[in-house]
Amino acid sequence: EPEVTQTPSHQVTQMGQEVILRCVPISNHLYFYWYRQILGQKVEFLVSFYNNEISEKSEIFDDQFSVERPDGSNFTLKIRSTKLEDSAMYFCASTPEINSPLHFGNGTRLTVT
Amino acid sequence: AQRVTQPEKLLSVFKGAPVELKCNYSYSGSPELFWYVQYSRQRLQLLLRHISRESIKGFTADLNKGETSFHLKKPFAQEEDSAMYYCALSGRRSQGNLIFGKGTKLSVKP
Repeated sequence: EPEVTQTPSHQVTQMGQEVILRCVPISNHLYFYWYRQILGQKVEFLVSFYNNEISEKSEIFDDQFSVERPDGSNFTLKIRSTKLEDSAMYFCASTPEINSPLHFGNGTRLTVT
Repeated sequence: AQRVTQPEKLLSVFKGAPVELKCNYSYSGSPELFWYVQYSRQRLQLLLRHISRESIKGFTADLNKGETSFHLKKPFAQEEDSAMYYCALSGRRSQGNLIFGKGTKLSVKP
């Protein structure tokens, strides 16, 4: 069964550095999402992406965040200048249609020191 | 405010016992309700959604609009049901924007 894959599984970065989290959604999926989960807290929606543009974003997704689909397979989340509070598990998800259930990746654990 | 509440952080039962994982929600409008499950070292995956009205792995959940609840039930728990369970909702116009509860860890003891 095809899966959403995320790399790396764990990323450690210093405060103020830029970080790019990578995701390969399932190949025939058209809708892409990023979520995050700070340790001990809820899974939170960050952004949805369709047709090469952001369709919805949360208050968390400020100017420090950006998403991109640089080619036909990857979907990336960039944090320009990381803060300690960006430390979290970041989940990518994709769906073939707007009403379909989300398929999640295994997540990338980001640690900002 | 849009919110999903799972009051139990941890639920521990013995194999064969009934299980009920509680979920209450607050939403202005007609939400869709979901249960997601995360087994140890695995990814979040959909368990069931209220519009499907189906039973998956013996689990069922009924949407009670009067009580704004979507509790997950299983009559006889199995050890392999041990996992983290998340209740979530989305608006009809915003299907991918899920609002999650904090999750309940279910532990089924032999």
